[in-house]
Amino acid sequence: DAMVIQNPRYQVTQFGKPVTLSCSQTLNHNVMYWYQQKSSQAPKLLFHYYDKDFNNEADTPDNFQSRRPNTSFCFLDIRSPGLGDAAMYLCATSRAPDQPQHFGDGTRLSIL
Amino acid sequence: AQKITQTQPGMFVQEKEAVTLDCTYDTSDPSYGLFWYKQPSSGEMIFLIYQGSYDQQNATEGRYSLNFQKARKSANLVISASQLGDSAMYFCAMREDLTGGGNKLTFGTGTQLKVEL
Repeated sequence: DAMVIQNPRYQVTQFGKPVTLSCSQTLNHNVMYWYQQKSSQAPKLLFHYYDKDFNNEADTPDNFQSRRPNTSFCFLDIRSPGLGDAAMYLCATSRAPDQPQHFGDGTRLSIL
Repeated sequence: AQKITQTQPGMFVQEKEAVTLDCTYDTSDPSYGLFWYKQPSSGEMIFLIYQGSYDQQNATEGRYSLNFQKARKSANLVISASQLGDSAMYFCAMREDLTGGGNKLTFGTGTQLKVEL
């Protein structure tokens, strides 16, 4: 049973057209994370929510935004996607700071 | 700043053999956690094993064990009795506690493991 669910699995958008990726969890974890993973690279943290508190990484572009309307859902909004934003986007959750992060299957974003 | 180093970009192992994937780390924090994740070609990130910096014993999870040598700052993953389904990218990661709560994983560059018949 999937516990961290990302939709869609594959997303294609046009250059400059806003796109939203979604993540939901059935684990009731307090913390949700968004990572960006470009081809052949390690995942890189974009931001995370601890409950409703939003925490942005210093080098995350302003083009990337996030929303967490409730415990179960978290969204990644890319306001004006550029070609360099093509990547796998991974959502993860953790129950507590010292516990492992559980990842979803990811959304692979392509930019035309 | 924390740093994770995986020096093996690719590894080959024969089915049923054991394989060790190397990971070294650098941190000034006395409390930290080390993780190994498996990422198949389909893209999902699968948690394998965790070692806390204060854990006295090496972590084990089924066929996975973590050879934790604190003085050497190494946390190598050992996979016993390799299976074809073990072919994947393997990432070593270190937990950094964030001031806003939660934690940040700093990942190594990964090791691509190929299991052969």
